[in-house]
Order: sequence, then structure tokens, then C-alpha cells
Amino acid sequence: DTGVSQNPRHKITKRGQNVTFRCDPISEHNRLYWYRQTLGQGPEFLTYFQNEAQLEKSRLLSDRFSAERPKGSFSTLEIQRTEQGDSAMYLCASSLSTGGQTEAFFGQGTRLTVV
Amino acid sequence: AQKITQTQPGMFVQEKEAVTLDCTYDTSDPSYGLFWYKQPSSGEMIFLIYQGSYDQQNATEGRYSLNFQKARKSANLVISASQLGDSAMYFCAMREGRVNRLAFGKGNQVVVIP
Repeated sequence: DTGVSQNPRHKITKRGQNVTFRCDPISEHNRLYWYRQTLGQGPEFLTYFQNEAQLEKSRLLSDRFSAERPKGSFSTLEIQRTEQGDSAMYLCASSLSTGGQTEAFFGQGTRLTVV
Repeated sequence: AQKITQTQPGMFVQEKEAVTLDCTYDTSDPSYGLFWYKQPSSGEMIFLIYQGSYDQQNATEGRYSLNFQKARKSANLVISASQLGDSAMYFCAMREGRVNRLAFGKGNQVVVIP
């Protein structure tokens, strides 16, 4: 498999529950990004890792959200005490830092529905 | 302030015709990159084409070309010879300077009809 893989593809959860999503980037890519996409909008940046270091977090990432990339490979995004406003598509992307054009390759996303 | 503006309503295009998708951007950084992504109903964002702010020529990738007008801050995507599989949402995005995140527009819906 040479693409970005995200699991699960769909998640339905009750308000107040915790959820965790996983992203497996392209194996040689050192950068990993999380974005959130709500209906009718483009993706919005949440956070970014270079190797295992989390280098940037958006103000969209409230304290209920936490992301990790413990060994610089796969990443997890956890949402605690989910709210209906968290319902969205969560997209993971990865890229290789080469100093030039570095397009990000995206996974198919995890669609979260909070009921 | 909106970094990327895509304001066209949904578009219907005849198969084999060309379609142009508008994108304007806002930045004061002289170094930036512009990207177009395609998002079919499956949800995956598929990279199409890239234009760097210092690139002298408009980018082309197969049936995709980017009409880059730097002074007007526009980066329109042209899809030639449309195919049914081109039906999707198309997003313009920008990366500024040394920042690694992408700022996306709201997208353009394209439906190709036979």
C-alpha cells in the first residue's frame, strides 16, 4: 500500500463519548497533518507533525482534542467528550520535506457523526 | 481574512469540453505555493497541480493547466477535454512562505454530463 490510510472510515458516537482516529502516512514521509472538513467547506488545518514533534496547532484544536505521533510513523487524533459540532470529516495528509514543492497526499478521511 | 476565494456556483460541463475554475488568493508573502485538489464523492483529496510563486511558466499536468496571473492574484484551473470521472469538488489551496499548512477555499462543484 502506497497511500495514506485512515481508520475507521466512519464513526458514529454519542455526545460525550471519546473517539480516536488513526492515520498511517506514506512510509517515507516525515510530515503529517490533520485537517477537519465540515459540509460545504474546504478542509481546515488542525495540527502538523514533523517526525514525532508536533510543531503547530490551530486554535481550532480545543483542549478536548489531542494528537500524537509517538514514533514518527502513524498518528492518532483523539476527541474527548464529543459534541455535535465535532461532526465532520477528519482528513490526514502526509508529505516529504524536500525544500521545494511538497504536495501533501491525503487519506480518504474519517467521517465522524456525533448524535 | 479569507486567504483563498472560490465563488463560482456549481457547474455543469459537457463531456469533452474544457472548464475553467476560478481561484483568487490573498497573501503579502512573496514566497508561496498554490495547489489544486480534486475531491470525488469518496472523500479523498487528490493532488492535481502545483504552481510556485516564482515559477515563470504556468504549470501543466496532463489535462490540467493552471492559469497563473500573479499581479491579479489569481490561479485558475483549466481542465481540458472533460471526462465523466472529472465530476467532483475542486479545491484551491495555498501554502505561504515557510508555513507548512495549507489554506483551502470552499471549493467548486463540477458535474460532467454526457
